[in-house]
Amino acid sequence: NAGVTQTPKFQVLKTGQSMTLQCAQDMNHNSMYWYRQDPGMGLRLIYYSASEGTTDKGEVPNGYNVSRLNKREFSLRLESAAPSQTSVYFCASSDEDPYGYTFGSGTRLTVV
Amino acid sequence: QKEVEQNSGPLSVPEGAIASLNCTYSDRGSQSFFWYRQYSGKSPELIMSIYSNGDKEDGRFTAQLNKASQYVSLLIRDSQPSDSATYLCAVNVLNNFNKFYFGSGTKLNVKP
Repeated sequence: NAGVTQTPKFQVLKTGQSMTLQCAQDMNHNSMYWYRQDPGMGLRLIYYSASEGTTDKGEVPNGYNVSRLNKREFSLRLESAAPSQTSVYFCASSDEDPYGYTFGSGTRLTVV
Repeated sequence: QKEVEQNSGPLSVPEGAIASLNCTYSDRGSQSFFWYRQYSGKSPELIMSIYSNGDKEDGRFTAQLNKASQYVSLLIRDSQPSDSATYLCAVNVLNNFNKFYFGSGTKLNVKP
């Protein structure tokens, strides 16, 4: 099915470990986003990429890095995981503004 | 003050009733407004967009926008148990049409 694919779906990390969350979309969208969702906090933007080759910080970028590998793929890296990064992470993509997002199925990350 | 505020609920309505969900936002210059539905454990799904003052209807859903008062609402007519979900309001970031702030969501329970 066309859409946004995220891997992995679940992950448990120990404090200090690193990992990369993968995201790929097959809708030929220019813009891609990484959000985290915490109870009572709603969705908060971590990083976004308005087009291939560009990335920008969102509301909560500290502790994360991103790579827009090509038009399809946008990865999120945690270099040294902390318990505060326990969250559900969503990747999303969109066509030219002002269109809404298509979200991936999410990654449930627990840092112990 | 949060950029986008929603009552967390839960909002309980009987089957067949009208559910009214409200959202206020702080950036007076925001131009694009979206409503997403999120079932428990799933990713957000776009259901409505609105850009101009007034009402926009799509099936059982009506979005209402009042830019002067800085609020946007979603009405669900003939509510069904399958409408039970969390509804997220998203408002574009000023001067960045495809970057959005999300509210924390209102949980809707439709009782049979």
